[in-house]
Amino acid sequence: KQEVTQIPAALSVPEGENLVLNCSFTDSAIYNLQWFRQDPGKGLTSLLLIQSSQREQTSGRLNASLDKSSGRSTLYIAASQPGDSATYLCAVGFNAGGTSYGKLTFGQGTILTVHP
Amino acid sequence: DVKVTQSSRYLVKRTGEKVFLECVQDMDHENMFWYRQDPGLGLRLIYFSYDVKMKEKGDIPEGYSVSREKKERFSLILESASTNQTSMYLCASSLLPPGNTQYFGPGTRLTVL
Repeated sequence: KQEVTQIPAALSVPEGENLVLNCSFTDSAIYNLQWFRQDPGKGLTSLLLIQSSQREQTSGRLNASLDKSSGRSTLYIAASQPGDSATYLCAVGFNAGGTSYGKLTFGQGTILTVHP
Repeated sequence: DVKVTQSSRYLVKRTGEKVFLECVQDMDHENMFWYRQDPGLGLRLIYFSYDVKMKEKGDIPEGYSVSREKKERFSLILESASTNQTSMYLCASSLLPPGNTQYFGPGTRLTVL
């Protein structure tokens, strides 16, 4: 079964710290990997999309890396701010050998709290 | 900007009622998805559609059906609502082919009493 695991489940850091969120997946045959942010009671906001042929993507203070062979991705957040507090979700588009139609398998998420 | 809207933010229904959740996207996306999100279980795919009138079961389709009569609209139907269908329901859309960003709506918090 294709699974996505995120570690840690929760993280609390002081403002200004650089931090890393981890995502692992069970099958290296993937189309892409996405990182999302979710605020309490809200929908998901896409942060970064990494295609299977790419090694990393950057947007502002965010950098996501992808290592397919080891089944891992990391989301690096530089100079964290209280406004970064949210749940961060990793989602993988597995290549099942047919047409996936863009289906994603989600991890359980990491709840990030950045305190002033 | 892509916009995905859902018909209700909060909904309260009684057991046995037929419930319709509607999702509309404005970016001509081929793919549309319905997920439910529950504490400890994460997001789980209920159904998805890759074209008008086309639908595919996701991981947890039991108790649900869907309808896609127009490209921009994807409806989730609970034929006879039960208390275990109390959840947050999230709709998403994306372009074909696989490898494109999924855009999510704000979610509908459904409570079945």
